[in-house]
Amino acid sequence: SYELTQPPSVSVSPGQTASITCSGDKLGDKYACWYHHKPGQSPVLVIHEDTKRPSGIPERFSGSNSGNTATLTISGTQAMDEGDYYCQAWDSTTAVFGGGTKLTVL
Amino acid sequence: QVTLKESGPALVKPTQTLTLTCTFSGFSLTTSGMCVSWIRQPPGKALEWLARIDWDDDKFYSTSLKTRLTISKDTSKNQVVLTMTNMGPVDTATYYCARTRKAATGDYAFDVWGQGTLVTVSS
Repeated sequence: SYELTQPPSVSVSPGQTASITCSGDKLGDKYACWYHHKPGQSPVLVIHEDTKRPSGIPERFSGSNSGNTATLTISGTQAMDEGDYYCQAWDSTTAVFGGGTKLTVL
Repeated sequence: QVTLKESGPALVKPTQTLTLTCTFSGFSLTTSGMCVSWIRQPPGKALEWLARIDWDDDKFYSTSLKTRLTISKDTSKNQVVLTMTNMGPVDTATYYCARTRKAATGDYAFDVWGQGTLVTVSS
């Protein structure tokens, strides 16, 4: 079965740039989505189709996907950006999530 | 405004069948490109996709769970129902339903999520 691998944790200082990676076999041939999940809340879609931001998502969120790696980049990270981030892709008709990355802003 | 809300039992006994209902508003499952998915998250673990039903009634299931899952829709009630048979303690999780939209590229994204419902499996 298809697998997506994320680092368990990433730390960033406020105002700096955070990068979260997601690795999978030929992931660049698929589309990647990213979701932000805060404790006690529902996940929120922040990037779809590799690079697109849904309405209401700040411009500081951006995405890329090439080769075997998709990357979520948060520029000028704010405290409100803390939480878990999940990448997701479709392997044919099956959705696959990465293991999640806990982003800490300190 | 698009909203989804999950409902169902908070406690299920081992071997029982779980039935969850997703009631939604703000969109129609008869519209081309509209779908609803179920996703769960065990405590302290990652998100796991379970199933998807499309506007044309196509249905798709997690490979590892497909023998236990059934997804259906009632478009007149704006509801999607998921049943999972033979529940066990490992199925304890928060279960979410999410609107799933098909983009022009053919990709699908979970763009609006319900609040989730915690289901505990215990005798």
